[in-house]
Amino acid sequence: SQKIEQNSEALNIQEGKTATLTCNYTNYSPAYLQWYRQDPGRGPVFLLLIRENEKEKRKERLKVTFDTTLKQSLFHITASQPADSATYLCALISGGYQKVTFGTGTKLQVIP
Amino acid sequence: DADVTQTPRNRITKTGKRIMLECSQTKGHDRMYWYRQDPGLGLRLIYYSFDVKDINKGEISDGYSVSRQAQAKFSLSLESAIPNQTALYFCATSGGSGRMYNEQFFGPGTRLTVL
Repeated sequence: SQKIEQNSEALNIQEGKTATLTCNYTNYSPAYLQWYRQDPGRGPVFLLLIRENEKEKRKERLKVTFDTTLKQSLFHITASQPADSATYLCALISGGYQKVTFGTGTKLQVIP
Repeated sequence: DADVTQTPRNRITKTGKRIMLECSQTKGHDRMYWYRQDPGLGLRLIYYSFDVKDINKGEISDGYSVSRQAQAKFSLSLESAIPNQTALYFCATSGGSGRMYNEQFFGPGTRLTVL
């Protein structure tokens, strides 16, 4: 069955360092992949979209990679700040049926 | 004003009761979605609607029904609530035509507790 894995354990990182979050998937061939940020008690907020034929996408301090061979996406936040502390969700979208599937998210804590 | 609003924000009800959660949007989007979020299970799609006349089941539609009253309104009903429907419910919208990969805009969520 299709499975999306994000590290369920919280990631703690020192302010100023680069945070790297992982999204792995199996039995899935997504055409697109999105990353969202979710703060406690609030709805997710869209951050970035990357297509299957794109290797890397950047937006300000954010960078996403998409490796369809490894079936993995990496989400990087450079020069991390305490305000970056949140849960980050990846979402995979299949091309054929346009189905959207979310991962369970990874909680990031940036320590001052 | 928020682009996507949900009412109520919190609701406690009893097993067997009928519950309706409402969602309104001012973004002018055609597409609307209902998700539930449970700890350790992430966001799961309940129903989605591409326009007023198009309603589709998601991965966990059993026990739920929806109504798209207008382009801007999409409501979710639990005909007979049960405790395992206790969860955080989100409404979302997206624009564009024929593309579910467009970013989704989420409402603030409704926390539902079924006793």
